[in-house]
Amino acid sequence: TQLLEQSPQFLSIQEGENLTVYCNSSSVFSSLQWYRQEPGEGPVLLVTVVTGGEVKKLKRLTFQFGDARKDSSLHITAAQPGDTGLYLCAGSDNSNYQLIWGAGTKLIIKP
Amino acid sequence: NAGVTQTPKFRVLKTGQSMTLLCAQDMNHEYMYWYRQDPGMGLRLIHYSVGEGTTAKGEVPDGYNVSRLKKQNFLLGLESAAPSQTSVYFCASSPYYGSYNEQFFGPGTRLTVL
Repeated sequence: TQLLEQSPQFLSIQEGENLTVYCNSSSVFSSLQWYRQEPGEGPVLLVTVVTGGEVKKLKRLTFQFGDARKDSSLHITAAQPGDTGLYLCAGSDNSNYQLIWGAGTKLIIKP
Repeated sequence: NAGVTQTPKFRVLKTGQSMTLLCAQDMNHEYMYWYRQDPGMGLRLIHYSVGEGTTAKGEVPDGYNVSRLKKQNFLLGLESAAPSQTSVYFCASSPYYGSYNEQFFGPGTRLTVL
């Protein structure tokens, strides 16, 4: 059974600080996605990483896919209150139509 | 472009009642999914569809049924609601298989079963 574990489960920091959240598995994925979910809304796709070692930047957010394609990280520089939300990672192995979802990291950025 | 829409947004049922959740997408996506989201458990797949007229079971299908009579619509039914089905339900769609299965979500339906 494929599993994705996200850590930490909860993170509360002050505006302006940097942070990293993690998404780990013992399984290999062909691609991995990061979504952000705000309260009362559905998840919204932020990025997809597909190559081992790949790094993608989205403004202050940096996403990295592990060399072995088993793990990923999301680093936020100078966090802002607008970054508050639930960050979900999801992996695909292209063998079926489903994504494997992590339980998420709940991030709160305090002004 | 409305994307993925879900109705209703909120619903309260009594144990044993039935209801249907409606999902519609206007992006001409082939694949559609129903998830439930419970605190600390992430998203769990209930049923999914890879095209009009086809459906398949996901991780937690018991107590639910689905239908996809039209490509743009995916219905989730609860025949006899139970308190364990209290959750937030999300519908999602995806344009194609074989790529990265990036999914587009609706705003969710919050269901409480008393």
